[in-house]
Amino acid sequence: IAGITQAPTSQILAAGRRMTLRCTQDMRHNAMYWYRQDLGLGLRLIHYSNTAGTTGKGEVPDGYSVSRANTDDFPLTLASAVPSQTSVYFCASSDSVTDTQYFGPGTRLTVL
Amino acid sequence: AQSVAQPEDQVNVAEGNPLTVKCTYSVSGNPYLFWYVQYPNRGLQFLLKYITGDNLVKGSYGFEAEFNKSQTSFHLKKPSALVSDSALYFCAVRGNYGGSQGNLIFGKGTKLSVKP
Repeated sequence: IAGITQAPTSQILAAGRRMTLRCTQDMRHNAMYWYRQDLGLGLRLIHYSNTAGTTGKGEVPDGYSVSRANTDDFPLTLASAVPSQTSVYFCASSDSVTDTQYFGPGTRLTVL
Repeated sequence: AQSVAQPEDQVNVAEGNPLTVKCTYSVSGNPYLFWYVQYPNRGLQFLLKYITGDNLVKGSYGFEAEFNKSQTSFHLKKPSALVSDSALYFCAVRGNYGGSQGNLIFGKGTKLSVKP
């Protein structure tokens, strides 16, 4: 693994179903983030984690939850998916030394 | 509130011509500014950043950006555009949403189209 990986690459999901998007980084970065990208809106922060064991809410957290059991993994869970959660989801990580965020390849989620 | 504006949805340039993608920001305090590029069906790739120091920042693939504090701008530039530069470009400023260490606040993106 090099950088950030996300799984799955894409998913079609029925409304009401539970879904977990996976994110793993191998750069030992302390901070991790989840963004969603919607046409015309850019990227918006869903949740963040400054370090393992801590998480916080971003700009659009409703309907999503996260956990950070260790440094490398930062899964995003949709407890009961709704069509408005159709989007492309990006995971990112950063360290305080470079102040630069690095992004995963994204997960394209469609909720029907 | 912190924000970033990219006033152009799309920029069209001919190959070999200089290009500029505009960005203005609104933050309290000193800004940390970034440019990212996104190719179709790909994640965001870091191009360059301004934290402090020289106002002209050089980045990947021949891109540069100029920080202008008085105009609160951070325009992305390249002296000679390539067809392969065609992509979606995002300007971002580092925020601190809630207790976040440094989330990014993004503009809405500018689609750059370079024609042969």
